[in-house]
Amino acid sequence: AQSVTQPDIHITVSEGASLELRCNYSYGATPYLFWYVQSPGQGLQLLLKYFSGDTLVQGIKGFEAEFKRSQSSFNLRKPSVHWSDAAEYFCAVRISSNTGKLIFGQGTTLQVKP
Amino acid sequence: DTAVSQTPKYLVTQMGNDKSIKCEQNLGHDTMYWYKQDSKKFLKIMFSYNNKELIINETVPNRFSPKSPDKAHLNLHINSLELGDSAVYFCASSPDSGDSETQYFGPGTRLLVL
Repeated sequence: AQSVTQPDIHITVSEGASLELRCNYSYGATPYLFWYVQSPGQGLQLLLKYFSGDTLVQGIKGFEAEFKRSQSSFNLRKPSVHWSDAAEYFCAVRISSNTGKLIFGQGTTLQVKP
Repeated sequence: DTAVSQTPKYLVTQMGNDKSIKCEQNLGHDTMYWYKQDSKKFLKIMFSYNNKELIINETVPNRFSPKSPDKAHLNLHINSLELGDSAVYFCASSPDSGDSETQYFGPGTRLLVL
């Protein structure tokens, strides 16, 4: 069955430090991959997505992610974290069927220290 | 110019009551979804409609009944509310063509059943 794993439940980084959030997926074919961010009390905002082509994708707010087929990973990175990046981050995979169902990881809570 | 909107934003009610959550999208999208986010922030799809037709119905109790009066609206009615229904419910939408793999989420409805 398809699944998405975010190994880190909670991460704390200092403001200005680099960030990497891990995401591993289990799916037979090439999936459509997404990262969403949920700020406290807010909805989900799309950060970036990967469908095909260049395996390094750029998103909003200075985020990027790299698709590595050999590792079944789609890790999210940011070179310098800002206090406003503190939020919940969700990795998701869309299985390529007609249903469009998104399967989410359990989320990673990012805390930013001043 | 809200893209996907939900009402109400907060809903506090007693066990056994019946309540509805409304969702509207002004993006011209063809498919709409309901997701449930539980207390551990895990997101899971509940339903999906394409042009008013049900296409995903996950193993959700039949106390939950989605209704799509037109392709811009997808409402969720919940009968005989239970404590375990307390969660955040997110509506989302996606187009059938173009950027069809990407789902755009509403701000969520925070339901608390007492």
